[in-house]
Parts: sequence; structure tokens; C-alpha cells
Amino acid sequence: DAGVIQSPRHEVTEMGQEVTLRCKPISGHDYLFWYRQTMMRGLELLIYFNNNVPIDDSGMPEDRFSAKMPNASFSTLKIQPSEPRDSAVYFCASSLLRTTEAFFGQGTRLTVV
Amino acid sequence: AQKITQTQPGMFVQEKEAVTLDCTYDTSDQSYGLFWYKQPSSGEMIFLIYQGSYDEQNATEGRYSLNFQKARKSANLVISASQLGDSAMYFCAMRESLQGGRRALTFGSGTRLQVQP
Repeated sequence: DAGVIQSPRHEVTEMGQEVTLRCKPISGHDYLFWYRQTMMRGLELLIYFNNNVPIDDSGMPEDRFSAKMPNASFSTLKIQPSEPRDSAVYFCASSLLRTTEAFFGQGTRLTVV
Repeated sequence: AQKITQTQPGMFVQEKEAVTLDCTYDTSDQSYGLFWYKQPSSGEMIFLIYQGSYDEQNATEGRYSLNFQKARKSANLVISASQLGDSAMYFCAMRESLQGGRRALTFGSGTRLQVQP
């Protein structure tokens, strides 16, 4: 298996623009997580899905952030409009119900200028 | 209150020596899991080792072992025979309410380990 695949790996955008981050989980995994990593706040959970349904979105910072999982093999995290404080590395991870660890993608490094 | 505390922002170790990275946690759940992940400079998050709260034996995976002291709420990672490739950030994480189905991990702030030749 190719593992969790995220795209793009790097994104530079101007403040106010819409940004869409994409994630393909490991085939067969029924949980999908979006995390954000910054120097100030470390790794924080934004949202997670079970069988394509959002379970906990309490970590989504504000209405500018939205996440969808239209099917078992694809999820998006959208920021509209983007702001410089959104600059971070965004990780997608997936796991199986019956296993313990979550497998992480390579991350998307977002820079908002 | 912090759920996961890693008090060592940075650690140095000589190649081939053992090193212990500290992690304490806070939970009122009886059923939980503790994890360690490695993040090299390339940025990916690599799963290393897992310990369940009901596991009686300390977890081991190759050169990695987890020193689990439940009463003290600590889950320290021990790396034996350090290698230069072990230089990375190390994160301790917890998943609470294993029986209740909460699946997300809460991470500590990390420890940067540098292995010196």
C-alpha cells in the first residue's frame, strides 16, 4: 500500500485566497484525521471522520475552515479566506477500528503570505 | 491541564548509548493507549511503539521500549544503542476512552533528540 497520500506537499498562497488540501487515506481504513502542526501550538487535532462522517470537529479553529469526506478514499480541508496565521504543516492520518496506531501522510506545508 | 507532558525540549546522546525520553500523561479514563512517534527532519510522522493501559508487560519494538509506570502516569521511551539516524523529534501521544471509541490522539510538545558521533 502506498500509505496516506496528501497533496500538494507545499502550498504558497496569498492572504485572502482559498486553499484546498487533499488526502487519500490507506485503503480500507475507516478513520481519517486532520492535524495541524505549528511551532507555537504543536500538533493539534482539527477534525476526524469515521466512515466518512465527521465525529469531532471541535478543533477546527473557525468558520474559515471546512473539511469534507465525500467517499472512503478522499478528504479535503479547505480554508477560505486564508490568513498568514494559517501557515502550518497540515497532516492527514488514517487508522482502522481494530488497530491502534494512526498512519500519517507526508504533510502539506502551507505558507500564507 | 496538559494531557501529555514532555519536559525535555532537547536531548543529546552519544552514538551507541541508550537514552530515555520522558512522557507523563493525565487522564481519568481506565482504558487508554500511549504512543510514541518519530518525526525526522524530512517531516513525516513515523509510528514507533504502543502501550495499552491494561498491558502488563512493557512494550518493546526492536531498539525501542516503553517504560510504563501506570501509578506514576509515565510512559517513557527508551532507545537502546542510539544511531545517528535516531536524530529527530519524538512525540508522545495518548488516546483516551479506548472502549468508548474516541480515536483521536493528543500529542505532547515533543523532544528533539540529537545523536552525536
